[in-house]
Amino acid sequence: DIQMTQSPSTLSASVGDRVTITCRASQTINSWLAWYQQTPGEAPKVLIYKASTLESGVPSRFSGSGSGTEFTLTISCLQPEDFATYYCQQYNSYSMYSFGQGTRVEIK
Amino acid sequence: EVQMVESGGGLAQPGGSLKVSCAASGFTFDKYWMSWFRQAPGKGPEWVANIKEDGSQQYYADSVRGRFTISRDNAKNSLSLQMNSLRGDDTAVYYCARTGTTHHWGQGTLVTVSS
Repeated sequence: DIQMTQSPSTLSASVGDRVTITCRASQTINSWLAWYQQTPGEAPKVLIYKASTLESGVPSRFSGSGSGTEFTLTISCLQPEDFATYYCQQYNSYSMYSFGQGTRVEIK
Repeated sequence: EVQMVESGGGLAQPGGSLKVSCAASGFTFDKYWMSWFRQAPGKGPEWVANIKEDGSQQYYADSVRGRFTISRDNAKNSLSLQMNSLRGDDTAVYYCARTGTTHHWGQGTLVTVSS
């Protein structure tokens, strides 16, 4: 099974900050990685797919990079609505998908 | 607009059964693999099962294999998850998703397993 390790688990930041979240896969997943944002009571929302492609309608301050086993999500200028929990998810094979444990972005 | 609407959630007894369904619209249903995900209260999302476009292949998470069955009806653009031998740790919001290059999730249906 492919394990996804996400860091940090919690991140304290201020509006306007640049923040980076890292996700590491236990084996190569090529570029089959998605990043989700989730706010309380809502379904997870896809921000980035295929490691670096911005989902339609997602602000350009979000960006993704990486391939193989190392991936990052960057928010270039944190906005109040960005305080949420973020998850990475690998989907390299239809036989098994898996998620990172999540990163909670909180107000400093 | 791509849309998935889940239904069928509710309260089930431990050891009991429940079937959740998903009505899909806004895309050619039989051209996509489909997935079920779930999220237990206070926990992260978890993948549950996948099914191929024509229904000929299914894959399951270890936690549900042998108890849950994913199926689809391409004529009705619908996806289902039959859940048997339910346990307390199956309590979660269950989400239907169109999978592929990217994913589109529904809003979910809550399943509570409790006596």
